[in-house]
Parts: sequence; structure tokens; C-alpha cells
Amino acid sequence: AQTVTQSQPEMSVQEAETVTLSCTYDTSESDYYLFWYKQPPSRQMILVIRQEAYKQQNATENRFSVNFQKAAKSFSLKISDSQLGDAAMYFCAFITQGGSEKLVFGKGMKLTVNP
Amino acid sequence: DVKVTQSSRYLVKRTGEKVFLECVQDMDHENMFWYRQDPGLGLRLIYFSYDVKMKEKGDIPEGYSVSREKKERFSLILESASTNQTSMYLCASSSPRGVRAYEQYFGPGTRLTVT
Repeated sequence: AQTVTQSQPEMSVQEAETVTLSCTYDTSESDYYLFWYKQPPSRQMILVIRQEAYKQQNATENRFSVNFQKAAKSFSLKISDSQLGDAAMYFCAFITQGGSEKLVFGKGMKLTVNP
Repeated sequence: DVKVTQSSRYLVKRTGEKVFLECVQDMDHENMFWYRQDPGLGLRLIYFSYDVKMKEKGDIPEGYSVSREKKERFSLILESASTNQTSMYLCASSSPRGVRAYEQYFGPGTRLTVT
């Protein structure tokens, strides 16, 4: 079965500091896409960053970057210079190429940013 | 920008009522999804559709049905609402093509309470 594990249900970080959210996944496929989604309180779920498994270079989007370790099936999200607006639920997800078009989501983790 | 809209943000229904939740997307996406989101359980897929009039069961289809008569619209139907269907319902859409292949775009959610 394909699964995503987010082992830390909650984390907190001080404003302006860096935090890393962990995610591991399990699949026997070699071609897939990985995503981090963010859901602020009472607001819409939005995509933070994506990574194609065939790319060795880690994706970066402004203050957000990933550490993709394909052999270890690990996909962590690093948030630099944390801001109050980063407080949200974060979900890790992946989808296999040519598969059923369904994203497999982790259960999410709650990030608190302290001023 | 991709826009996914849902017919209601909040809905209160009585046990046994038939409930319709509607979702509309404006990006000509082939795929549409219905999830329910509960604390500690993450997102669970109810149904998805990869084309007009096509549907597939997700992980928790019991008690739900769907309809996709037009490409932009995907409806979730609770034939006889029960209290255990009280939840947040999220709609999403995606395309298997292009540079944003498989990225799911979410609606704002409908918080349904069944009393």
C-alpha cells in the first residue's frame, strides 16, 4: 500500500527562525510527484511546493525548500525566516505517474509560529 | 488563477435529509475530487471523477454518491444524512497534463453539520 507518514503532529517555531517538517512515504513506483500543501486556519488549502521524483535538484519556492531523499523515501519541508502567516496545517502528499490520479496524503501537522 | 468554488461554506441539515454539495472549477480540469477532513484523520477521499459521467470510489464512499454531468461541475450527494457525516468537505480539481500536472487545487470547503 502507498502511504505517507508525518510523524510530528505538532511543531512550533519562533518568528524569523527556521523549521523543518518531516515526511516519509512508501511506494514501489519510481516515477512520482511529491507535494506540500498548507491549510491556514479557516482558509483554503494551497500548494506550497512540488518535487518531481526524477529531478535530483531540490525544489525551492522563496522561503520554502525541500530536502528530497529518494532512496530514503523522505521529503522534508524547510521554512526559513518563519512568519506569523506560516502558521497552518501542513500536509505532505504524493502521486504516482500513470497511476490512478489520486493523491496520497499524510495526516498533516500543525505548525505554530510564536511572535 | 485556478478557481474552485463550493456552493456553501456552512450547512446545517437534519438527519435523514438529502444533501447536495456542489463544486465548480474554471480551469477545464479533467479530474475532480471530493474529500472529507476530520481532526486527526487528515483528508480522506470519498469519490473522484476523471471525466464527465465517469466516477470512481475513493476510500470512504459509503453513504455518498456523486454526479458529474458537466466537466466543470462535480456534485456530492448524501442520500440520507446521518450525524456521522458531520465534517468538513473539500472539493479539488487537477489535470494530468502540463507543467502543473497532478497539482490539486482546492475549494474553500463546506462545513456540514447534521443534527
